[in-house]
Amino acid sequence: DQQVKQNSPSLSVQEGRISILNCDYTNSMFDYFLWYKKYPAEGPTFLISISSIKDKNEDGRFTVFLNKSAKHLSLHIVPSQPGDSAVYFCAAGISNNDMRFGAGTRLTVKP
Amino acid sequence: NAGVTQTPKFQVLKTGQSMTLQCAQDMNHEYMSWYRQDPGMGLRLIHYSVGAGITDQGEVPNGYNVSRSTTEDFPLRLLSAAPSQTSVYFCASSYKTHGLQHFGDGTRLSIL
Repeated sequence: DQQVKQNSPSLSVQEGRISILNCDYTNSMFDYFLWYKKYPAEGPTFLISISSIKDKNEDGRFTVFLNKSAKHLSLHIVPSQPGDSAVYFCAAGISNNDMRFGAGTRLTVKP
Repeated sequence: NAGVTQTPKFQVLKTGQSMTLQCAQDMNHEYMSWYRQDPGMGLRLIHYSVGAGITDQGEVPNGYNVSRSTTEDFPLRLLSAAPSQTSVYFCASSYKTHGLQHFGDGTRLSIL
């Protein structure tokens, strides 16, 4: 059962433009949401998170939006840079024991 | 600052062989976990540990065994390797069960 889905396997954007990565979840009990970034041959690294009591969290060029009624979260990267090219995973859960990960979206930022 | 270290990085096994994937962390984290990543799927939790001497099953535990004799180490054992266990395995650790997880660089395992 895929409780967390990232429906776009890949996304390509031009440098300087906005990148929007989307994620949907099915379990309304999930209250903690994260985005991880992964480069080839490396492990995922934490990027940004949001709890269910908020609908937006910003960290520099990265903003995560949470729409609890739609069970949807998105990651905005503005402006996108070539170094942002990576696979992005969203994750949702209550604790690490039940964290569910999406299949990932491969972002390519073209110079 | 090593963080989470996984060995080996690559391994090829024959069906029926056993092996142990090593994971060590130097951050004094209580919580450690093992995930597998397969094409088209997200990371799936195999086993986890909330502290030395305590382990529990995750989402996909069958065919794997773990132990946690020290805070630092959390090895994953494949008892009798099967082709379905071909995957990339990630170990992670966090300060607490609700803490941010730090991942190792993974072990790519192929079973023929």
